Amino acid sequence: AIQLTQSPSSLSASVGDRVTITCRASQGITSALAWYQQKPGKAPNLLIYDASSLQSGVPSRFSGTGSGTDFTLTISSLQPEDFATYYCQHFNGSPYTFGQGTRLDIK
Amino acid sequence: QVQLVESGGGVVQPGGSLRLSCAASGFTFSSCAMHWVRQAPGKGLEWVAVISYDGRKKYYADSVKGRFSISRDDSKNTLYVQMNSLRAEDTAVYYCARYSGTYSFDYWGQGTLVTVSS
Repeated sequence: AIQLTQSPSSLSASVGDRVTITCRASQGITSALAWYQQKPGKAPNLLIYDASSLQSGVPSRFSGTGSGTDFTLTISSLQPEDFATYYCQHFNGSPYTFGQGTRLDIK
Repeated sequence: QVQLVESGGGVVQPGGSLRLSCAASGFTFSSCAMHWVRQAPGKGLEWVAVISYDGRKKYYADSVKGRFSISRDDSKNTLYVQMNSLRAEDTAVYYCARYSGTYSFDYWGQGTLVTVSS
């Protein structure tokens, strides 16, 4: 089974900061990767699909890059509503595993 | 608008069974692969199972294989998961999610809590 390793596991940052979260796959998955944001008590919300495509309605400060085994999610200028937990997920066949999550806190 | 509404959660004893439902609306349910994802309290997301749009293909996480069964009723626009031989470690919020067709889950339900405890 493909494993996804996110780094860092937690991160403290300030409003206006540029933040990058990485997701490494244990084997190549082409561009079959999504990024989600989850706030406490809520369902996850899709941010990026197909590694780099921005979901409709998601602010353009979110961007995704990568292919193969290494992927990144970047938030160009953190806003107060962006403090949440972020997950990557692969779609290169079952099981469609998630990364362990990255918790983004206010510094 | 697309809506996914889970139901059927509750408290069940270890070894017991439960069936969760996910009522879909606002899209052509019979054209979409559907998934179940769970989240134990304070933990990350865990993919559970998938059923293809036509119901012919089903895949499961190793942690639930042989105990859980995913199904769908397109006449009712409803997704199900039958959960048997439940264990304490199955305690979680269970979400249904729609596969978008482009490497993502674009819609999620609000979740239903399953608690396995004596």
